[in-house]
Amino acid sequence: QQQVKQSPQSLIVQKGGISIINCAYENTAFDYFPWYQQFPGKGPALLIAIRPDVSEKKEGRFTISFNKSAKQFSLHIMDSQPGDSATYFCAASIVGAGSYQLTFGKGTKLSVIP
Amino acid sequence: NAGVTQTPKFRVLKTGQSMTLLCAQDMNHEYMYWYRQDPGMGLRLIHYSVGEGTTAKGEVPDGYNVSRLKKQNFLLGLESAAPSQTSVYFCASFGSGDEKLFFGSGTQLSVL
Repeated sequence: QQQVKQSPQSLIVQKGGISIINCAYENTAFDYFPWYQQFPGKGPALLIAIRPDVSEKKEGRFTISFNKSAKQFSLHIMDSQPGDSATYFCAASIVGAGSYQLTFGKGTKLSVIP
Repeated sequence: NAGVTQTPKFRVLKTGQSMTLLCAQDMNHEYMYWYRQDPGMGLRLIHYSVGEGTTAKGEVPDGYNVSRLKKQNFLLGLESAAPSQTSVYFCASFGSGDEKLFFGSGTQLSVL
């Protein structure tokens, strides 16, 4: 059972455009939703994260939008740049569950073309 | 401060051979994890540890064993490698007070 569904699998965006990646979750106990960014040949690294008590979090060009009732959250990359080309993973976890297990989506490969 | 270090970075095995992947972290983190990454499958948790001397199964534990004899090290073993275990393996750690996993740079394993 896939607990975090991510779409699209791949995305091509023009430089300066907006990249949008969507995720949906099933387990209503999840209370922490991070996004990880992975460049080729590297391990994933935390990009931005949100808790369900807020509907939006912005850090620079990156914004998470969260819809608790729909059990969905999304990553928006404004003014996308070629350097943003990477694979993005959404994830979810239950804080305080004792093991900090993250359930990851399957990833979105973003290509930003000049 | 090296963070999370994985060795080796690349390895080719023949079916049936065994090997151990080593993960070391210098952040005094309690929690450590082994993930495998396959195209289109995302990151799947193999085993994890919530402290020295403890281990637990994740989503895809079959064919793997782990040990956490020292707090800073987490070993992943393949006793009899199979082609289905061809993957990129990532180790990660997490410490109380942090809200993120720190990942190593990965091990590319091919089983022929």
